Amino acid sequence: KQEVTQIPAALSVPEGENLVLNCSFTDSAIYNLQWFRQDPGKGLTSLLLIQSSQREQTSGRLNASLDKSSGRSTLYIAASQPGDSATYLCAVVILTGGGNKLTFGTGTQLKVEL
Amino acid sequence: DTGVSQDPRHKITKRGQNVTFRCDPISEHNRLYWYRQTLGQGPEFLTYFQNEAQLEKSRLLSDRFSAERPKGSFSTLEIQRTEQGDSAMYLCASSPRGEGNGEQYFGPGTRLTVT
Repeated sequence: KQEVTQIPAALSVPEGENLVLNCSFTDSAIYNLQWFRQDPGKGLTSLLLIQSSQREQTSGRLNASLDKSSGRSTLYIAASQPGDSATYLCAVVILTGGGNKLTFGTGTQLKVEL
Repeated sequence: DTGVSQDPRHKITKRGQNVTFRCDPISEHNRLYWYRQTLGQGPEFLTYFQNEAQLEKSRLLSDRFSAERPKGSFSTLEIQRTEQGDSAMYLCASSPRGEGNGEQYFGPGTRLTVT
């Protein structure tokens, strides 16, 4: 059974700091990995998707890397801002019955302080 | 806006009542997923539809839960005889036909509170 772990569970940083969020998964047979952002009481916003054949993806101040063989992904946020405060979830995609099932970690709750 | 929509956004019900949620996927997405998220946890997979066919159900989907997608467009999730443990955010997602990159697009969720 695929298990996804995210470390740290919570993180508080001053504005402007660069930071790294970690995600690990137990079964390397993944189709892709997706990073999401979730604001309190809201749905999920997709940030980055890395296909299993890729090593990294970048979008603005965000960079996500994937090391499938070691079962790890990192999300790097450059020059953090208070608006980045949210919960960040990683999820691995497994192909199943013709569909794509997401298995999520428990998230990292980020607070960026002024 | 052509994103995934869910209705209602919030539902408060008394234990033992039945509730039904609706999800409208992105147009022409033939795949639809339901997830449940409890406080402090990541979402957990409940069930998956390809067109109108329900192809997979999680062990989390007890006999009190039923999901349908009768015309391959919108989907409903019904919970019968609700229990306090059913209190959670219910998330719907859709993805286009074909393998593609496997990306799923999520709706805003329905927050259920069972009192």
